[in-house]
Amino acid sequence: GENVEQHPSTLSVQEGDSAVIKCTYSDSASNYFPWYKQELGKRPQLIIDIRSNVGEKKDQRIAVTLNKTAKHFSLHITETQPEDSAVYFCAAPLVSGGSYIPTFGRGTSLIVHP
Amino acid sequence: DAGVIQSPRHEVTEMGQEVTLRCKPISGHNSLFWYRQTMMRGLELLIYFNNNVPIDDSGMPEDRFSAKMPNASFSTLKIQPSEPRDSAVYFCASSFASGRNEQFFGPGTRLTVL
Repeated sequence: GENVEQHPSTLSVQEGDSAVIKCTYSDSASNYFPWYKQELGKRPQLIIDIRSNVGEKKDQRIAVTLNKTAKHFSLHITETQPEDSAVYFCAAPLVSGGSYIPTFGRGTSLIVHP
Repeated sequence: DAGVIQSPRHEVTEMGQEVTLRCKPISGHNSLFWYRQTMMRGLELLIYFNNNVPIDDSGMPEDRFSAKMPNASFSTLKIQPSEPRDSAVYFCASSFASGRNEQFFGPGTRLTVL
């Protein structure tokens, strides 16, 4: 099945610094790579996603890059703010019998110190 | 749309009791997912329905867990009998076209089994 590895598990930065979270996946047929943000006590919510036909996507302070050859994708947050503190999850689908079964990484706890 | 609706939001029960969690997906979505979230195991996919049909239930821990989706607007996750190790937050999510698109999560049900 699909194996999604996410690193680091914890990331602590100073306000204004950049943060990078990396994920690797195993299923070469995977073609959709979302990132979810989960604030304490809340539900996960999509913040950005990328499909396999592009290598990079940006939305204001966040960006995602994808390297299909190496099977890894990364989340980049620039000019971090305290409200960016949350747990971030990457995901990739296991493609099986025509179905796309989502598989999540273990999550990265990002702490932004004011 | 009100988003994905889950009930109850909190459930406290005693070991051995039956627990039923309920979910109403977003209208028009044809995929529904049940997840369990704990500190130790992260976000685990329990079962995934597509067009009301269970596609993958390999994540269901054991026979004590069962899930149904009798129609496009309602799903249940049942635990019978419940055990303390079932204590977790259970999320329901829905999407259009399986794991190839954004999943919208419900607020979750926090289950405590004493």
